[in-house]
Amino acid sequence: GENVEQHPSTLSVQEGDSAVIKCTYSDSASNYFPWYKQELGKGPQLIIDIRSNVGEKKDQRIAVTLNKTAKHFSLHITETQPEDSAVYFCAASKGDNFNKFYFGSGTKLNVKP
Amino acid sequence: DAGVIQSPRHEVTEMGQEVTLRCKPISGHNSLFWYRQTMMRGLELLIYFNNNVPIDDSGMPEDRFSAKMPNASFSTLKIQPSEPRDSAVYFCASSLWETEAFFGQGTRLTVV
Repeated sequence: GENVEQHPSTLSVQEGDSAVIKCTYSDSASNYFPWYKQELGKGPQLIIDIRSNVGEKKDQRIAVTLNKTAKHFSLHITETQPEDSAVYFCAASKGDNFNKFYFGSGTKLNVKP
Repeated sequence: DAGVIQSPRHEVTEMGQEVTLRCKPISGHNSLFWYRQTMMRGLELLIYFNNNVPIDDSGMPEDRFSAKMPNASFSTLKIQPSEPRDSAVYFCASSLWETEAFFGQGTRLTVV
């Protein structure tokens, strides 16, 4: 099966700084890589995703990069705000169902005002 | 739409009892997923359905776990008998084929 590793497990940044979270995957057949944000007491919510046919995608302050050769992808958040504080999960999927995810272990991001 | 609705939000039960978790997917969605979240193992897929048919249940931990989807608007995850190690947050998610998967708010299960 697929193995997704995520680093760091915790990340603390000052408001306005950038945050970067990195993930690696093991199965070269994986072709869809979403990022989910989970706030306390809530379910994960999709914030951005990328498919294997592109190398980078940006949505306002959030960007994701994908290196298929190295099998790693990263989440970049610029100009962080206190409301960005949450747990972020990367995931990978392939083949039979797009949304059959293998999740990373999560990164707890703390943005200090 | 109100999103994916799970019930109950919290469940505390004694070891050995039967537990039933419920999920109402978003109307029109044809894929439904059950995930379990624990500190030790993170988020892991238990089972998923396409058009009410179970496709992959390889993540179901053991025979004590069973899931059904009798129609497009309802699914259950049952644990019988429950054990303390089943304590976790159980999430249901739904999607329309290969579009965004929406998660419910989860059911926090505590088995004492």
